[in-house]
This record gives sequence, C-alpha cells and structure tokens, in this order.
Amino acid sequence: QKEVEQNSGPLSVPEGAIASLNCTYSDRGSQSFFWYRQYSGKSPELIMFIYSNGDKEDGRFTAQLNKASQYVSLLIRDSQPSDSATYLCAVNRGYNKLIFGAGTRLAVHP
Amino acid sequence: SAVISQKPSRDICQRGTSLTIQCQVDSQVTMMFWYRQQPGQSLTLIATANQGSEATYESGFVIDKFPISRPNLTFSTLTVSNMSPEDSSIYLCSVTQLGHVNTEAFFGQGTRLTVV
Repeated sequence: QKEVEQNSGPLSVPEGAIASLNCTYSDRGSQSFFWYRQYSGKSPELIMFIYSNGDKEDGRFTAQLNKASQYVSLLIRDSQPSDSATYLCAVNRGYNKLIFGAGTRLAVHP
Repeated sequence: SAVISQKPSRDICQRGTSLTIQCQVDSQVTMMFWYRQQPGQSLTLIATANQGSEATYESGFVIDKFPISRPNLTFSTLTVSNMSPEDSSIYLCSVTQLGHVNTEAFFGQGTRLTVV
C-alpha cells in the first residue's frame, strides 16, 4: 500500500464549478498534510497545509482533514482555467520531509 | 521565503558518466532534501542532506548511486553516478526555513537531466 494515494485523473470541470481533489494516507500517526500545485515544467508551489481535523479555508481553496478516515481533500471553488495544473497531496513526516501522492491532473474548461 | 538556486538548470549527459547538481540557498536553513521527478510522475524523496554527516537515504536509493554532500547550512550537492537513461528526470532540492517548519517546504527550480 502506498503511503499517499491520489487519483491521477484527469479531473475535468467546467469553469466556475467546484473541483474536489481527494487523498488518502496509510500512516495513522501522520500529523500534517500539504497541498501543492504544479504547473507543467515548473516547481511545486504551496497552496495550503492542514493539521487539525475539519476545514481550513484560504480564498477559493478549502482543505479538509479527517484523521479517523485518513482522508484529506482540497476543494477549489469558482474554478478558473488558470487552475488547470497537477495537484499534489503530501504527508509531512516532520520538518517538511514530504511524501507525495501521485498527483491529480485538473483541467478546467471554459 | 528562501531563494533557492539550483545549477545546472538542465543537462544532457552520456550514459556511464556522472553529474553533480548544486543547491544554494540565500539564508541558513534547517533541513535540505533531494527529490526526483520522473517523466509524468510525482515527486519521490531521495534523501535528507545532513550538515556535516552522511545523508539519510529513502528506501530504493543508495549512496553509491546518489552521493550527497552538505558542507554547511546553505549548500548541498547531489551527484547522479554512472548514469543510465532511466535516470532521466527532474531533480529538485527542497529546504525547510526557520519560521516555516512544518508549514511550507520551498523548492528549487529543478534540474532537468536527460541521459542519452
């Protein structure tokens, strides 16, 4: 079993819709989680991190964590074509030593 | 945030040769990591670069193939040794900056390696 699992997609949503990206992890002791966005040919850039159960909102982005279910998700509201990228879920092993999932490709079409 | 400079940005190398990639940060950082991103894949952690001591390697990666140095708090190198076409990947360094521990890992721009 992989430490971090993501559906590789592609996930296709229309402009203005909500995109929902999901991630599960295997180590129940994991404490914090990151969502990164990566455009083709670019380095990953942080969207947000989360370590408490529940929701965390930042602008159009909401991260959700359910430690009992070992599940992390990212919601993108009012999706824009510029959101088209690969979204990487990562488990933090401590001090930002990150284990990444396979990434989900998101395509937002006009 | 930390400014990370990776050199070279890209290279094309002959099989059987070695390439050393440099990662220079503009401020002292606590942790430095090296990742590999194979074509169409996600990032895989290679190792933690430890200052003044041997790197800590993840399962599937060995020092003979990927020797790493970290002589101080701002600089690290990764060498890809005895290269084969399967080593063609993007190699990224990542740093943990004081004040951002467990909140954000910063990435260099990557080194795109092609082995022919």
